[in-house]
Amino acid sequence: DAGVIQSPRHEVTEMGQEVTLRCKPISGHNSLFWYRQTMMRGLELLIYFNNNVPIDDSGMPEDRFSAKMPNASFSTLKIQPSEPRDSAVYFCASSLGLGTNEKLFFGSGTQLSVL
Amino acid sequence: GNSVTQMEGPVTLSEEAFLTINCTYTATGYPSLFWYVQYPGEGLQLLLKATKADDKGSNKGFEATYRKETTSFHLEKGSVQVSDSAVYFCALSTVDTGRRALTFGSGTRLQVQP
Repeated sequence: DAGVIQSPRHEVTEMGQEVTLRCKPISGHNSLFWYRQTMMRGLELLIYFNNNVPIDDSGMPEDRFSAKMPNASFSTLKIQPSEPRDSAVYFCASSLGLGTNEKLFFGSGTQLSVL
Repeated sequence: GNSVTQMEGPVTLSEEAFLTINCTYTATGYPSLFWYVQYPGEGLQLLLKATKADDKGSNKGFEATYRKETTSFHLEKGSVQVSDSAVYFCALSTVDTGRRALTFGSGTRLQVQP
């Protein structure tokens, strides 16, 4: 398996523009997570899905952020409109389930820069 | 709520030195504990885990023991290599009212010099 695949690897955009980040989880994994990583705040969980259904979106910073999982093999995280403070590395991760012992598999991340 | 506290980095060591990265936690219930490692430009990878008190997780020469009495899960390695240079994250996982909560520490950067 190729692992969790994220695209794009790098994104540079201007303030106010819409940004869409994409993620393909490992085949057979039922749970998908979106994280944001910054120097100031470390790793923050934004939202996670189980069987394509959002379970907890309490980490989504505000209404400008939205995430979807239309099927088991694809998810998007959208920021509209983007702001400079959204600049961060966004990671997608997947796991077989939501058990406390389940291992998370992370993608390589999307480095987002909002100018 | 749940929280994880790690020692601040960077930790700079010479090759073959002994490594300890401290991690303490606060959690409701009985969490599972993890160490993840992040190499430059990559996502996090699971290094080791322990699921109950007194369990020892180990992998690639790294070890950590789940100490419930001290709420700690310190990472150790007897002899580090340059290739161990990375950021190490301590994490805990619980399930509360049916929702999984995975909490990461702030990460500790390890730099190993030849």
